[in-house]
This record gives sequence, structure tokens and C-alpha cells, in this order.
Amino acid sequence: AQSVSQHNHHVILSEAASLELGCNYSYGGTVNLFWYVQYPGQHLQLLLKYFSGDPLVKGIKGFEAEFIKSKFSFNLRKPSVQWSDTAEYFCAVRAGASGTYKYIFGTGTRLKVLA
Amino acid sequence: DGGITQSPKYLFRKEGQNVTLSCEQNLNHDAMYWYRQDPGQGLRLIYYSQIVNDFQKGDIAEGYSVSREKKESFPLTVTSAQKNPTAFYLCASSPRRVDSGFITDTQYFGPGTRLTVL
Repeated sequence: AQSVSQHNHHVILSEAASLELGCNYSYGGTVNLFWYVQYPGQHLQLLLKYFSGDPLVKGIKGFEAEFIKSKFSFNLRKPSVQWSDTAEYFCAVRAGASGTYKYIFGTGTRLKVLA
Repeated sequence: DGGITQSPKYLFRKEGQNVTLSCEQNLNHDAMYWYRQDPGQGLRLIYYSQIVNDFQKGDIAEGYSVSREKKESFPLTVTSAQKNPTAFYLCASSPRRVDSGFITDTQYFGPGTRLTVL
């Protein structure tokens, strides 16, 4: 069965620190990969996505993620976090087979950035 | 103003009562989804629908039912058979884009409904 693992459940950083959130998935075929973010009191929204092509994907607000197929990973990074990045971050995977709309979400990582 | 709306934002029900959560989208998306979000468990898929008059069970469909009579609407009923219904429920939709035989789409989420069963 497909699964998504986010190993860090809670992360606390000071402003300007670098961020890397891990995401590993289990599926051997073609995948679409996503990072979603949920700011306090707001909708879950897309941060970035990977469908094909360049494995280094850039998203909004300075975030990026790298798809490493050999490691089944799609880690999220930001070189310098801000207080406003405090949120919950979810990694999601969808098997890229035609006719499959099912997404699998990770358990989420709560990031707190200290001012 | 396009988007996904869920109502109500907060809902309280007595144990043993069925309750229906509303989800409407005006994005002209084919696919719609219902998730349940619990602390420490992330989002778990309850039901999803790829097209009108068709839907499939997700990972935790027991105790829930849905209908998809219109493209814009995908209501979720939490029945009395659901053993632990208190949770935050999220609705999402996505367009149906296919590129070289593979589905390429992004989900858009509603604001959620927090259901508390007393």
C-alpha cells in the first residue's frame, strides 16, 4: 500500500535559520508530489508540486523541494525562515496512473518560528 | 469570486444523530474529495468523486455516505454508525487534467467544518 512519512512532527526554529522537512513515500511507479501548508486559521493551500521534469521545484514564499527518485524522497527546504512561516506542512503523493485520483497525505509537521 | 465553500464552520450534534456537511465549488472542477483531519494523523481520505453520479470509498469510509448529483456539490453525511465522528472535515476539488496518459492536477481545499458530537 502507498504511504507517506513525515518524520518530523514538531520543529522549532529561530528566524533566519534554515529549514528542511523530510518526506518519504512508498510507491514504485510514477508519482505526483505536493507540499501543502496550513497557516493558523487559514485554508490548506498548495506550496509547491512536482509532476515531471526538473527535480528541483520552486514554490511560493521562497520554498523549494527536491525530488530524489532513488531515495523516494521529496524534502522541503527554505534557506532562511521567517516568523510568518509558522504553520503546519503536509506532504502528499498521488500515484500518476491514469484514472487514479487518490491522494495520500503525510501526518504533517508543525513548524514554529521564534521571532 | 471562485472557490470552495463549506458550511457550517462549526457544527454540534448529539450522539446518534446523522449530520450532513455541505461542500460547494464554483471552480468547474470534475473531482471532489472529503478528508478528515485529526491531530497527529494528518488528512485521511473518506470519499472521492471523479465525476457526477460516481464516487469511490477512500481509506476510512465506514460510517460516512456521500452523493454527487451535481458537479458543484458533494455533501458528506456522518451517520450514527461512525464511532468517532468528532473531527475537522475538509472538502477539496481538483480539475481533471490528463497529460500523456497521466493525471496532472492540484487539489484546492475549502475552509473546513469542525464537527463536535456531544
